Amino acid sequence: DQQVKQNSPSLSVQEGRISILNCDYTNSMFDYFLWYKKYPAEGPTFLISISSIKDKNEDGRFTVFLNKSAKHLSLHIVPSQPGDSAVYFCAASAINTGTASKLTFGTGTRLQVTL
Amino acid sequence: NAGVMQNPRHLVRRRGQEARLRCSPVKGHSHVYWYRQLPEEGLKFMVYLQKENIIDESGMPKERFSAEFPKEGPSILRIQQVVRGDSAAYFCASSRAGMDSPLHFGNGTRLTVT
Repeated sequence: DQQVKQNSPSLSVQEGRISILNCDYTNSMFDYFLWYKKYPAEGPTFLISISSIKDKNEDGRFTVFLNKSAKHLSLHIVPSQPGDSAVYFCAASAINTGTASKLTFGTGTRLQVTL
Repeated sequence: NAGVMQNPRHLVRRRGQEARLRCSPVKGHSHVYWYRQLPEEGLKFMVYLQKENIIDESGMPKERFSAEFPKEGPSILRIQQVVRGDSAAYFCASSRAGMDSPLHFGNGTRLTVT
């Protein structure tokens, strides 16, 4: 049972354009969401997070949007840069049940930013 | 800038042998987590430890797998009598205390069972 879904395994975007990565979840107990970026042969690197009390969080070129009613979140990267090419994982946890440590990850979206 | 350190980076074991994976958390972090990534899949939670305590091991197979985080030294994930299905990347993460502290991941140990 995949509780966190990233339905697009890959995405190609031109440099300078906006990259939009999507994530859906099914568990209504999730209340904290994170995006991680992963390069080959490295561990995931934390990018940005959002609590369910917000619908938007911004950090530089990265913005995460949360739509609780649709159980959907998205990561926007603008402008996209070649160094952004990596696999992006969406993750979720349930802080209010005391299980914040147990992140549930999606299967990832491979972003390629082309020149 | 010492992040989460995992060793070895690559580990090859024959079926039936034991695998020991080590993880040193970020300095000042008291919470350690182990995740496993199978090919073409996301990371799956295995176990959450604090010093000398296992807090949540609900993601860890009941047999052959064990984890510890002693008072001194690194956290150890131990897999006894490895089988081919144990081949995966094992990632350790650490965080400060607090429910919403992001996890910081190491670069993983890639275990190959031949």
